[in-house]
Amino acid sequence: SAVISQKPSRDICQRGTSLTIQCQVDSQVTMMFWYRQQPGQSLTLIATANQGSEATYESGFVIDKFPISRPNLTFSTLTVSNMSPEDSSIYLCSVDPGGRGNTIYFGEGSWLTVV
Amino acid sequence: QKEVEQDPGPLSVPEGAIVSLNCTYSNSAFQYFMWYRQYSRKGPELLMYTYSSGNKEDGRFTAQVDKSSKYISLFIRDSQPSDSATYLCAMSVSGTYKYIFGTGTRLKVLA
Repeated sequence: SAVISQKPSRDICQRGTSLTIQCQVDSQVTMMFWYRQQPGQSLTLIATANQGSEATYESGFVIDKFPISRPNLTFSTLTVSNMSPEDSSIYLCSVDPGGRGNTIYFGEGSWLTVV
Repeated sequence: QKEVEQDPGPLSVPEGAIVSLNCTYSNSAFQYFMWYRQYSRKGPELLMYTYSSGNKEDGRFTAQVDKSSKYISLFIRDSQPSDSATYLCAMSVSGTYKYIFGTGTRLKVLA
């Protein structure tokens, strides 16, 4: 398993601003993932972040809107840029500690409300 | 057709009832099956994961996989009000690191 800490846990943001979410893991992991969960919806993968390489984005998500950093094996950040009300969601950091693609663990999430 | 289908509920049961939560899937390549519990505005918490067909038990929870029918279930025995949450199923193909989630079933256990 893994213990994942996310900051901030929640925030209210002004339209047009950007916010960076931090994710800290208690062990070294190769694969880190960022998900979005809009109200009443299931989880949607934004991107996969591996240390030492550019993040891989899923269809519908672009680097200019969701830049990601992965400076080491225990830390990552996701920035939500130029926010609009449609970006109001829970943003979740997750890891696959075994690296086998059979389970992932989630952080507590960052609840963003854009006004 | 979605790859994973899950009844959204809500499902209301009295305390002490046996709860059955289900997902169906269409991709026969899925090999790993997971169940998560998610409380309101919190991250999903992994409850159980299974690989093969059959049953896996952990305390009050039993996960069941029927690959021939492409059907998985989570049973909760002696349900408690603290079990009230949204339950998400998830599936993956080994080595792909692609996890497909159901939409979640909202469960309410009434005291």
